[in-house]
Formats: sequence, C-alpha cells, structure tokens
Amino acid sequence: EVQVVQSGGGLVKPGGSLRLSCAVSGFHFTSYAMNWVRQAPGKGLEWVSSVSTGSSYIYYADSVKGRFTISRDNAKKSLYLQMNTLRAEDTAVYYCARALDTVTYFFDDWGQGSLVTVSS
Amino acid sequence: EIVLTQSPATLSLSPGERATLSCRASQSVSSYLAWYQQKPGKAPRLLFYDVSNRATGIPARFSASGSGTDFTLTITSLEPEDFAVYYCQHRSNWPLTFGGGTKVEIK
Repeated sequence: EVQVVQSGGGLVKPGGSLRLSCAVSGFHFTSYAMNWVRQAPGKGLEWVSSVSTGSSYIYYADSVKGRFTISRDNAKKSLYLQMNTLRAEDTAVYYCARALDTVTYFFDDWGQGSLVTVSS
Repeated sequence: EIVLTQSPATLSLSPGERATLSCRASQSVSSYLAWYQQKPGKAPRLLFYDVSNRATGIPARFSASGSGTDFTLTITSLEPEDFAVYYCQHRSNWPLTFGGGTKVEIK
C-alpha cells in the first residue's frame, strides 16, 4: 500500500523558516518525481515545486523561487521543502504528492497535508 | 504561464442529475490535462490524466474529453459522494497550473 506521510508545519513569524518532510513507503521512490502543492485557506490548489527522480531537474513556482528549496533523499525515501523568508501569503496547507512516473507531472498519491501559518 | 479557467464556479444539482464541468486553457496544452476531485479537509484525488485516462478506482459515471484548449469533465448521474470541488491541471510546460475549481453542490 502506498503511504505518503508528512511532518513539519506549524506557526512561524514572517521572515522565519520552516522545513516540511514527507516519508513514503509502498512504492519504489526512485521511480517517481515528487512534488509540493499548497492550498491557502478557502482557496484553490497551487503548485509549488517539483523534483525529478535523481534531483537533476528542479522546478519552482515564481511565488517561492529563491525562498524555498525542494530536496529528496532517495536512500531515506523522503522529500523535503525548506521554506525561508516566509510571508503571510505562504500560509496554506502544503501537500506532498507523487507524480505518475518519472516525467508525468500529475499527482496520484498525496500526503495528508501540513498546515503552515505565517503570522506575528 | 498557462491560465486554466474553470466554469461554472458553482454547479447546483440534485443527485441523479448530469454534471458538465469545463476547463479552458489560455493556450494549447495538447492532451496534457488532468482532473482532480477534492472533498473538504481532504487531499485531492486524481480522476483523469492526459485528458481521458481514468485513474485507478474511478467509477465509469465519470468521463473526460477535450484537446488543445477546451476540456470537459462529465458525471452522468451524480451520486451523493460526488458533491465536491473539481480542479483541472496541466503539465504542458512550467509552471504547472491548476484551474480555480468548480464546486458541485447539492441543490
């Protein structure tokens, strides 16, 4: 059974940092690109970042470029999102999501979500 | 950036009725479009990818079609569990984008 379990999240002040983690099981992690998608309270879905299987290709939304860093540890079957210089508009539920395969960036398995609140 | 516009924003229907949801792209996404269903407090669920490829476990009352810039998700006969928000998403280029969503609510 595929499992995507997230940790991290919480309340942080504007300008602060936070790291989200996502541990997976039940599939060959190295065969799938991985992604972060977020959803502000009461709003729609927003793609944040994607990383290819070997981390050779990394993509970011303009809204987070230069502030967020996606990474993966294939040995630990884990995905990370380091978020720096956080802003109020980064407040959202962040989802870790598996891509369909190495190159098909649609998302078929999702974590439970991690709430990040940026507020003073 | 490709903008995906979903319509209508809200669809008020009764169980058993047919739902037709639209997703229009600001430029061609070829066949690189997916649909998701999201219920309150839950992660999205993939329904279709590359226009009309049904994801695992998706019932046959759901269908999807389209190409280029105009896409449609159809639910032939709404079941109580189908009332949710539906999103489209493209993977034609970077950045990936989602549509704003269509809420299918009980009339």
